[in-house]
Amino acid sequence: NAGVTQTPKFQVLKTGQSMTLQCAQDMNHEYMSWYRQDPGMGLRLIHYSVGAGITDQGEVPNGYNVSRSTTEDFPLRLLSAAPSQTSVYFCASRRWVNRPDTQYFGPGTRLTVL
Amino acid sequence: GENVEQHPSTLSVQEGDSAVIKCTYSDSASNYFPWYKQELGKRPQLIIDIRSNVGEKKDQRIAVTLNKTAKHFSLHITETQPEDSAVYFCAASFYGNKLVFGAGTILRVKS
Repeated sequence: NAGVTQTPKFQVLKTGQSMTLQCAQDMNHEYMSWYRQDPGMGLRLIHYSVGAGITDQGEVPNGYNVSRSTTEDFPLRLLSAAPSQTSVYFCASRRWVNRPDTQYFGPGTRLTVL
Repeated sequence: GENVEQHPSTLSVQEGDSAVIKCTYSDSASNYFPWYKQELGKRPQLIIDIRSNVGEKKDQRIAVTLNKTAKHFSLHITETQPEDSAVYFCAASFYGNKLVFGAGTILRVKS
């Protein structure tokens, strides 16, 4: 299994540009989520999904959109990039069971917005 | 709100000493508490976790303790080694099975 994969690894955008960060997992996990990591602020939840067609907001959803059309994929869209969105983005997945289960992270995407 | 506080933000220890990192959480309904280790430029990886029906869990040199009454849990690393140097994150589960993370602790083990 490849586990959780993310593309691209690095990206530089100009203010106002849009882009999509890709995330895929091959573990048949129902639960997927996106975090951003900034120095001194830990991992903050952006959006999450408990299955295809179901998404919800986390702590810092503004400026980001998600959709979940398949179990495997959970892309994150930046609609109009801003310098405040410069960060490292991690996708994660885990089984959706009646109690919390081990969460696995992807390798991350380092995004710079100029 | 959904909050996890983690202390200290940085911790320096001598090789062979013990290291302790503490976290508190805001919701008494939280029932799952994982710890992740992140090396420079890498993804966070689970090192140990504990559920609310257990007070302590050990795995070789690492252990986690949970005090549900006080809503805090701690990571203990004994006989620290240089390869333990990393950023450590605690997390707690909240409504909707969301995992909320602490701000992280930079652990430096000096040899």
